[in-house]
Amino acid sequence: GAVVSQHPSWVICKSGTSVKIECRSLDFQATTMFWYRQFPKQSLMLMATSNEGSKATYEQGVEKDKFLINHASLTLSTLTVTSAHPEDSSFYICSAIRQGGQPQHFGDGTRLSIL
Amino acid sequence: AQKITQTQPGMFVQEKEAVTLDCTYDTSDPSYGLFWYKQPSSGEMIFLIYQGSYDQQNATEGRYSLNFQKARKSANLVISASQLGDSAMYFCAMREDSGGGTSYGKLTFGQGTILTVHP
Repeated sequence: GAVVSQHPSWVICKSGTSVKIECRSLDFQATTMFWYRQFPKQSLMLMATSNEGSKATYEQGVEKDKFLINHASLTLSTLTVTSAHPEDSSFYICSAIRQGGQPQHFGDGTRLSIL
Repeated sequence: AQKITQTQPGMFVQEKEAVTLDCTYDTSDPSYGLFWYKQPSSGEMIFLIYQGSYDQQNATEGRYSLNFQKARKSANLVISASQLGDSAMYFCAMREDSGGGTSYGKLTFGQGTILTVHP
């Protein structure tokens, strides 16, 4: 069964809305979670690395004020897309790794459509 | 330079045949891990197989095997006895271990290969 739960599965909302996506590790503690963005038929692009209790590490070119990441507990990380615009429409997917373990376990992803 | 290269945008295979999906990588890190993931059209990422840089033997998981050629820096995925359900996008990914710290576990993905299995 799924070891990482991501919610919601899809979101359609108006331009200017902020959208929060949750990523939960279900049966393990995840000290590190990762957030990716994927355009149709393209690869996964890492947006940021989320560590419990500390600030996220963003990849070059990712606006940290636009994509707010919070990793408040060992089982939950959230990504908030603030003031979303149509160009933010994409597939967002999170992953988590167990402490000292591999591989990364992925959530099922969130399809975000901004009208 | 690309760290992970998958040169086959699309591959076709007949059901029950074997297929090889290519992956080459570039790293100067002596310790790294190589992964293959399957992504069906529904979007979820399914872990298939893992090979560590120090592993002496090629990894196998059921119908999946990884042809690891360290000197050539290649980590091709072999799927034996293809099934219709194998049709999906396949990604090769690498984890470099020297980074450590807060970026430990970070994966770099290849461009992906779309595999289509014909009946």
